[in-house]
Amino acid sequence: GAGVSQSPRYKVAKRGQDVALRCDPISGHVSLFWYQQALGQGPEFLTYFQNEAQLDKSGLPSDRFFAERPEGSVSTLKIQRTQQEDSAVYLCASSSTESSNQPQHFGDGTRLSIL
Amino acid sequence: KQEVTQIPAALSVPEGENLVLNCSFTDSAIYNLQWFRQDPGKGLTSLLLIQSSQREQTSGRLNASLDKSSGRSTLYIAASQPGDSATYLCALTSREAAGNKLTFGGGTRVLVKP
Repeated sequence: GAGVSQSPRYKVAKRGQDVALRCDPISGHVSLFWYQQALGQGPEFLTYFQNEAQLDKSGLPSDRFFAERPEGSVSTLKIQRTQQEDSAVYLCASSSTESSNQPQHFGDGTRLSIL
Repeated sequence: KQEVTQIPAALSVPEGENLVLNCSFTDSAIYNLQWFRQDPGKGLTSLLLIQSSQREQTSGRLNASLDKSSGRSTLYIAASQPGDSATYLCALTSREAAGNKLTFGGGTRVLVKP
């Protein structure tokens, strides 16, 4: 596709439910990132994949958060037993190589609301 | 730990005035610094990327400077237009961090009044 695609765009869940957020990066992009953006703040790093390898998950706030990219393309961010503080916009980004010279291209995000 | 700060948090200017957005960071060991634009309900659009060896980048009405020694970057937008209204975020990639994860500032919300 032309850009990074995320689905769903909006997700409402009750506290305690599990949710899964999907990211389709730009075709052929090696690097994939997940960020969490709270209302009125800048995004914060969650995790990073190079192809199918999860090289950095230092930003995941708890063991309820899990991300995967099994075939090195589509990625899923899963949140188990959701809590109200998980409400945020979850942004996915991809870049063409692992080089720091390449910009990251962002999707429009998934807005998650936990009731 | 790298910290990125953007001041002011919000800015309102009349159309035609030049915009000056500031970004400061605590650790000068960076690979690059990037400026993004974010419209409400949307993702981030990359505006300019400055490599650590560069002093500035220009694209149309936009100019971004980088001064690593003082830990500062400035985004200039000339002759502002109402369509420039958005949140502007700076982000950088630090040498301390594995991979190329971005560390963001909190953003400056800009309103250009017609």
